[in-house]
Amino acid sequence: DTEVTQTPKHLVMGMTNKKSLKCEQHMGHRAMYWYKQKAKKPPELMFVYSYEKLSINESVPSRFSPECPNSSLLNLHLHALQPEDSALYLCASSPGGLTGELFFGEGSRLTVL
Amino acid sequence: GQNIDQPTEMTATEGAIVQINCTYQTSGFNGLFWYQQHAGEAPTFLSYNVLDGLEEKGRFSSFLSRSKGYSYLLLKELQMKDSASYLCAVRDVDQAGTALIFGKGTTLSVSS
Repeated sequence: DTEVTQTPKHLVMGMTNKKSLKCEQHMGHRAMYWYKQKAKKPPELMFVYSYEKLSINESVPSRFSPECPNSSLLNLHLHALQPEDSALYLCASSPGGLTGELFFGEGSRLTVL
Repeated sequence: GQNIDQPTEMTATEGAIVQINCTYQTSGFNGLFWYQQHAGEAPTFLSYNVLDGLEEKGRFSSFLSRSKGYSYLLLKELQMKDSASYLCAVRDVDQAGTALIFGKGTTLSVSS
């Protein structure tokens, strides 16, 4: 299994809602990532989990809250988002060392009304 | 920090060869990656260079010169399906650990 699975594929939420994005991999990878991608822009790094511990937070607003329940799962909890947070949220994983590429999921397309 | 530069757009015709250049500045370089991304889809891995030289994989080749902070992706025998965004990405362990930092991407349009 060489897939990173993200759910939901599409999400529409209001600014007062609480929702979560989920990501799962079964490749035994020990590093997982959240990226945000706006239209016609490159992916921007948000968070890095290494061996289930948050190792990098790229100054992301607290309305985004990551969680890594175990080595296969990564969640992104969303609360009180703004319309400018509408984007494609990409999850990725890698083996965990300093070699090897990142494997990306298909992404969750988020629209904040 | 990182500074990753690549051309915004390129055009080419079917069957041709195109070279997409990427320059970078990093403090903790540990690899350069090329990804392809079709509109509305996830990035897919194309190639990886950590040592100087050329890596060839089918119609795609990638070159790295660490001393010059320079890489290129070479696409041969272009096909219409190669129309996509090509993302140059760097692993800079000082800035982002194992994560990749992406350049702005080059949109390649292949015409018949």
